[in-house]
Amino acid sequence: AAGVIQSPRHLIKEKRETATLKCYPIPRHDTVYWYQQGPGQDPQFLISFYEKMQSDKGSIPDRFSAQQFSDYHSELNMSSLELGDSALYFCASSPSRAEQFFGPGTRLTVL
Amino acid sequence: GNSVTQMEGPVTLSEEAFLTINCTYTATGYPSLFWYVQYPGEGLQLLLKATKADDKGSNKGFEATYRKETTSFHLEKGSVQVSDSAVYFCALSLNTGFQKLVFGTGTRLLVSP
Repeated sequence: AAGVIQSPRHLIKEKRETATLKCYPIPRHDTVYWYQQGPGQDPQFLISFYEKMQSDKGSIPDRFSAQQFSDYHSELNMSSLELGDSALYFCASSPSRAEQFFGPGTRLTVL
Repeated sequence: GNSVTQMEGPVTLSEEAFLTINCTYTATGYPSLFWYVQYPGEGLQLLLKATKADDKGSNKGFEATYRKETTSFHLEKGSVQVSDSAVYFCALSLNTGFQKLVFGTGTRLLVSP
């Protein structure tokens, strides 16, 4: 069965650089969620999209932005990266607000 | 606000031992409850879920019962295996809105042969 695809799987950036994380949801899933998991921490909700519109917003810094495109894939854009942004970023998708299926995550390291 | 509290780990057990990982929650309304498992270097996998009071979720020998009276959703397994070693997250989502997940801090389980 198709799963959520995230790219890249690993990303290394310098402070103050920008990063773009991509998420490809399971086909026919219309809702995408982004979570951030710091080292040894629980995942924290960042933002979600339903039918290409932002549906909810959590503790997402102003330096971050995200969108969902017409093909339902989503991108998380992160600017002015800080050391504290180093984390595992998960994308999850769901069909019409039901159970969430998680991708493998993108590990971002900021040096 | 909505929150989940889990017992701290690590929980260290021998193979075939009985497992309990405690989870309690605070929520406005009646949430759905979940257990997710995260193996080293991997993403989150849904282990089991329960959507209303007294529901029992079960999968791969793991069970948890939604107890509204005690606001709990404890995870149990009768006989753990080495391959069960992972981090287990209890989570809730409200049944209104877009159901973002609120996670507990996770409990690391280490099973030795």
